[in-house]
Amino acid sequence: EVQLMESGGGLVQPGGSLRLACAASGFTFSNYGMSWVRQAPGKGLEWVSVISGSGGTTYYADSVKGRVTISRDNSKNTLYLQMNSLGVEDTAVYYCAKKKQEDVFDIWGQGTMVTVSS
Amino acid sequence: DIQMTQSPSTLSASVGDRVTITCRASQSISSLLAWYQQKPGKAPKLLIYKASNLESGVPSRFSGSGSGTQFTLTISSLQPDDFATYYCQQYNSYWGYTFGQGTKLEIK
Repeated sequence: EVQLMESGGGLVQPGGSLRLACAASGFTFSNYGMSWVRQAPGKGLEWVSVISGSGGTTYYADSVKGRVTISRDNSKNTLYLQMNSLGVEDTAVYYCAKKKQEDVFDIWGQGTMVTVSS
Repeated sequence: DIQMTQSPSTLSASVGDRVTITCRASQSISSLLAWYQQKPGKAPKLLIYKASNLESGVPSRFSGSGSGTQFTLTISSLQPDDFATYYCQQYNSYWGYTFGQGTKLEIK
């Protein structure tokens, strides 16, 4: 079964850092681009970042550029999101998602909650 | 940046109704549009990609159409399981995947 499972969320103070992880199973991880999408409480979906299958190409939303780094370890079938200089506006459920060849997100994890608060 | 605008924001309908949700892009995105369904507390689910292609396993009562800047998602006969929030997403720009603000489909 194709599955994604996020971890690493929690409560962090403004200005703090957090690293999220997404463990993948059931498919050849290195063959697919992966992305992070977030959803603030009661709000819509916001794309955060995407990484190619090899890890060699990455893109970021303007709202997180310079504060967030996406990476992957294909030997461990794991996607990461390093988040620094967190602000209250980063409070959200963070989903990892697998990209189909058609460049859309066909498999999603269950999400991990990040709360930025003092 | 490409902006995506959905209408309506909320839609009240009954089981068996035919409903249509519209998504408009701020500039042409060809047919690079997807639709997702999300239920409370759950991850989004891909329904349609490339404007009109039904994702595997998605019921045929869902259909999509459009190109350029105007797109629609149609549910031909609403089922109880369809009450959820629907999002469109453009993927024309590899450096950005923009979602619409969502349309909440409620039971009338």
